[in-house]
Amino acid sequence: DTGVSQDPRHKITKRGQNVTFRCDPISEHNRLYWYRQTLGQGPEFLTYFQNEAQLEKSRLLSDRFSAERPKGSFSTLEIQRTEQGDSAMYLCASSRGREEANYGYTFGSGTRLTVV
Amino acid sequence: SQQGEEDPQALSIQEGENATMNCSYKTSINNLQWYRQNSGRGLVHLILIRSNEREKHSGRLRVTLDTSKKSSSLLITASRAADTASYFCATSNQGGKLIFGQGTELSVKP
Repeated sequence: DTGVSQDPRHKITKRGQNVTFRCDPISEHNRLYWYRQTLGQGPEFLTYFQNEAQLEKSRLLSDRFSAERPKGSFSTLEIQRTEQGDSAMYLCASSRGREEANYGYTFGSGTRLTVV
Repeated sequence: SQQGEEDPQALSIQEGENATMNCSYKTSINNLQWYRQNSGRGLVHLILIRSNEREKHSGRLRVTLDTSKKSSSLLITASRAADTASYFCATSNQGGKLIFGQGTELSVKP
């Protein structure tokens, strides 16, 4: 297992277009998290899944954002009608659920979105 | 929303010196974790301290936790140029999600 994979690494899109990002967690991890990070700031929580169930969504996640985790494996994050303010690094992380108390999260390298 | 503040926002030291970063938080926690991020990359988990622990060591890292003051510190001893990165504290409550601080940008000069 090579860790958490995110695709693509970089995405440049025109304002108003839709984009979709993919995250493949570590296979035995049942929890998956999405965060957003802008320059000079810490990651901000967006949403998380336990298996296929989306357990919590941040108020940052407007109705233009949707996340799915079909069959509790990979996850996708879609942003519709992108705005310049959506430009950020989108980070995915996974953990072993309650065992995160011992091991913490494993993060992917992120997808950097630029909306022009 | 961010959980709290980290201090200092930026720290520049010479190789071999010790680096201390502080983190404050606002709510009760289950554990506190420290992460490192190299420029433009994902975060790497460094160390975790539970709410009933006061101090923890891992290699050149020493973390302390004071729940009465809602604060933590990360000490990196004998720093190296390769330690140059941003360091974030993050808190976990019963819900499981991590809430991150703003980070400290550490620069270690050879």
